[in-house]
This record gives sequence, structure tokens and C-alpha cells, in this order.
Amino acid sequence: SQKIEQNSEALNIQEGKTATLTCNYTNYSPAYLQWYRQDPGRGPVFLLLIRENEKEKRKERLKVTFDTTLKQSLFHITASQPADSATYLCALDLLKTSYDKVIFGPGTSLSVIP
Amino acid sequence: DARVTQTPRHKVTEMGQEVTMRCQPILGHNTVFWYRQTMMQGLELLAYFRNRAPLDDSGMPKDRFSAEMPDATLATLKIQPSEPRDSAVYFCASGLTSAKNIQYFGAGTRLSVL
Repeated sequence: SQKIEQNSEALNIQEGKTATLTCNYTNYSPAYLQWYRQDPGRGPVFLLLIRENEKEKRKERLKVTFDTTLKQSLFHITASQPADSATYLCALDLLKTSYDKVIFGPGTSLSVIP
Repeated sequence: DARVTQTPRHKVTEMGQEVTMRCQPILGHNTVFWYRQTMMQGLELLAYFRNRAPLDDSGMPKDRFSAEMPDATLATLKIQPSEPRDSAVYFCASGLTSAKNIQYFGAGTRLSVL
């Protein structure tokens, strides 16, 4: 069956450390993989996109890797800050013949402790 | 500051009543998505429109849910009759097909069916 999994438990890390979030999928072949951030009471906000033929993408303190062999993406936040505390969602962009379909993972809750 | 606008933000209704949620996508965007988010199921795609035409509503319970785009500035999601299991946060998102399906979400409608 098709499945997207993210860190099953909430992640708590100390301020200044690097947070690493995992997104694993089975029986999908995404053309792109996206990461979103969601704060309580708000809609998700787009952060980064990585293509299937890219290994790594960076944006400021964020880094995303994409391994299509392992069917896994890692999302890193370096020098984490309390303001980074949120839920992070990965999303697979599945190219179909007539349209793209984006499927979201369940999300990982990150808490950065001062 | 372009944003997706959803109304109402909160809705409490009784079982059996009709519920209508509205979404104003970002001007110029040609794709609109409706999602439902619950703790148990995460973010589920209900319907997807491109250039106002419905492309995918396979995630939507057909007997009670309907989604339309009367014009490019308005998308609606109706539930009739509503049931307690419909209680969730409903998000609308818009995007551009030329922009890798990056989605811009509204703040959501929190629906409680008693």
C-alpha cells in the first residue's frame, strides 16, 4: 500500500542544535518533494521544494536532502531557535498524465527548548 | 500582501444542517485545493480544481459533499447534511501550475458539528 511516514513522535531539541526531520514513503514515485511549516491555528506555509534528480537543497538555515533509492527525505534546521517550533509536513508531488497530485505526510511536531 | 481568504473561520452547527465554506484564491492563481485536517487522518485532499474545472474529487464523500468554482475568485465547499464526523479544520489552498504545485493555504475553517 502507499504510505508517507514522518517522525512518529514529537521532536524536542535544545536551542542552537540541528533538528533533523525524516520523511519516508513507499509505493510512490514523486517528481518533487515539498516541505511545509504549520503553526497552531494556521494553514501550512511552503518552505522548500526539491526535485527527484536533486540530492540537496539549501535555504538559509534549512537543508533538504532527497534519496529516491531509499525513498526518503531529510529536513535539517541548523542553529535552531525557539521560533522554529512548529509542525513540519512533507508533501509528495505525483505527476500524473493530466494533473499533479500532492499528498501530505502526517507531520512532525518540533519543539526547540531555550 | 496576497493571501487566500477563507470564510467563516469558525462554524458550529447541528447535525443535519447544511454547511457552506468559501474560499477566495490568490488573484491569478489557476489551481484550487480543498483539504480536511484532523488529528487522526492528517491533511486529506478532498477536491482539486484547475482553471475552475474539477480534476480530482476522489477524496470527497460524494453523497454529502460538493465543491464548485462559480468564478475564478470564489470556490465553495458544501456539506449537506452535516454529521459529527465531519468536524475538522477545512483548508483551501491555491497555486499556479507553472510553479511546481507550490500551494498557498488559507487560515482554515474550523467546523464543529454537534
